[in-house]
Amino acid sequence: DSGVTQTPKHLITATGQRVTLRCSPRSGDLSVYWYQQSLDQGLQFLIQYYNGEERAKGNILERFSAQQFPDLHSELNLSSLELGDSALYFCASSVVEGGEQYFGPGTRLTVT
Amino acid sequence: AQTVTQSQPEMSVQEAETVTLSCTYDTSESDYYLFWYKQPPSRQMILVIRQEAYKQQNATENRFSVNFQKAAKSFSLKISDSQLGDAAMYFCAYGNLGGATNKLIFGTGTLLAVQP
Repeated sequence: DSGVTQTPKHLITATGQRVTLRCSPRSGDLSVYWYQQSLDQGLQFLIQYYNGEERAKGNILERFSAQQFPDLHSELNLSSLELGDSALYFCASSVVEGGEQYFGPGTRLTVT
Repeated sequence: AQTVTQSQPEMSVQEAETVTLSCTYDTSESDYYLFWYKQPPSRQMILVIRQEAYKQQNATENRFSVNFQKAAKSFSLKISDSQLGDAAMYFCAYGNLGGATNKLIFGTGTLLAVQP
């Protein structure tokens, strides 16, 4: 158990819908990262937050957004979902900006 | 831009034997981290070992060790006394030390099978 929690574990939804994925980092970790793992794209970085502020964006679609709240938990919002958004979405956290990242169990999103 | 390459899509090892997984990377930075993550069938990403680029000594964690060749930009993982529980996908990852972002850049992974 890495100490990073993610909910829900599984999510099945239809095209065009909107979903919210939630992540709670390890106690004391200020940095949160979101990654997408799909069969054709592998593990891709989406976005990073540090203590409530956005730090960096990867190849995140405009339909996707995220935020980190004062209690440090983070949410990833995916809207106007397409079949190609089906993937495993990971949240990771680290104590500082840099160093090892600890991953949550992931949310498996299936868009039908 | 940094890249990570794992040229072995699949590897197989006999239980109790030793196996080495290869990884090469490209970066113009001098300070960075390198990691190996394990992803078993449960899909959980588990940190196996980390190496700071400024350290010349190779990292070791129990049966797992790395061979870090900074000049060659090579970072291989050696698993000794392989166990059935070592069967998993292994990802090599690169992370900047400092800078604008500390995102991890992953290789495409090596699927390791352990034969009894």
